[in-house]
Order: sequence, then C-alpha cells, then structure tokens
Amino acid sequence: GAGVSQSPSNKVTEKGKDVELRCDPISGHTALYWYRQSLGQGLEFLIYFQGNSAPDKSGLPSDRFSAERTGGSVSTLTIQRTQQEDSAVYLCASSLAPASYNEQFFGPGTRLTVL
Amino acid sequence: KQEVTQIPAALSVPEGENLVLNCSFTDSAIYNLQWFRQDPGKGLTSLLLIQSSQREQTSGRLNASLDKSSGRSTLYIAASQPGDSATYLCAVQGGSEKLVFGKGTKLTVNP
Repeated sequence: GAGVSQSPSNKVTEKGKDVELRCDPISGHTALYWYRQSLGQGLEFLIYFQGNSAPDKSGLPSDRFSAERTGGSVSTLTIQRTQQEDSAVYLCASSLAPASYNEQFFGPGTRLTVL
Repeated sequence: KQEVTQIPAALSVPEGENLVLNCSFTDSAIYNLQWFRQDPGKGLTSLLLIQSSQREQTSGRLNASLDKSSGRSTLYIAASQPGDSATYLCAVQGGSEKLVFGKGTKLTVNP
C-alpha cells in the first residue's frame, strides 16, 4: 500500500508569510507525528496525534506553530509569520497505534526555505 | 532528558568491509530503539526495530544489538556495498510516544 505522503515537497516563502504543510498518513494508522530536521540540530519532535487529538505538543517551538488533524487521517502543520530560523525539513510519520511496539514510518518531508 | 549520541559522525570504508555503527543513550528506561537510513534529500527508511526486551534483530546483512542497561546499541553491516552509502540514524522511544534521535553517522562505501 501507499506510504506516508507529504505536500508540498518544497516550499519557498518570504519572511512573515504563513505556510501550511500537509501530511497523509498510511491508511489505518491512528498515530501521527511531526518532526523537524534542521542543519546542525538533528531531528526534533514537534507534536503527536492520536486520532484527532494531540496529547503531546511539547516540541512546538513557539505559538506561531500549530497543527490539526481531521477525520483521524490528514494532518496540517501551520507556521504563522515565518522566520528564517523556521527553515528546515519537516517530516511526518505515522504508526499503526500509539504503543511501544509499533514502528514509525516516515514521509519524504517538506523542505521549507524562508527568505 | 534523554540524549542520544552516535559515533562516529562520519565513516568511509572500502566495499566489502564489515562495519559497526554505535549509538548510546543516557536514559535506559526505553520501550524500543529504531535504526533508520536517510538518503540525501529523502525521508527516513526504517531498518530495524528492537523492543526493550530483545537483544538483537537481524534483516539481511544488517544486525542490530541492544544493551539497555548500559545504554548502547550497535548496527552491524556485513559485506558493505556502495549502495549502503547513506546517513544512519538511531532513535529511542521512552515514556512518551516521541522518538529521540541521534545526529547520525554518515557512511560512505567506496567501490
């Protein structure tokens, strides 16, 4: 079956603009995760969804970042008033269920460049 | 706070060589450890998942071991090939659902 998909694959925006990044998880996966990969910072957790609720938002760097998930499927990560330090690759992952036994499967990522 | 360290940061070997990548973590209270591969400009591909109760997992030429009490894992790659060239990432899952990643080992296998 299809893997995790993300869109767009690349996004270039101007400082101060809002952006929306989309993630389509593997069908049937109830858990969904957003991570960010910055140069020199490695991969950092942003937020985790179980169904449509987000039990863990601890990784969101500021209130400019928000995310939602609808229908237990697609998720959107929104960054308002983008800053240059938001430039990174944003990765989405999903797993069959939120448990210690389940692998997280990653999408190809969205490369965000803020000019 | 969990911290994951991978050594070395980069490794270059001739084709055919067996090699070991190292991963260490500071908090031994983990549920599982996962090894990933990342090709340039691409997402992450899961290679092996080791549950906390397991000692090792094998897939083809790859073998991953876990010593939870000492906070260490190794990824052994046998008979390396140029197609194995990539960045290898180690990640642990503790009490929360999130994965905590190391910064990776960039592997280059020279023909």
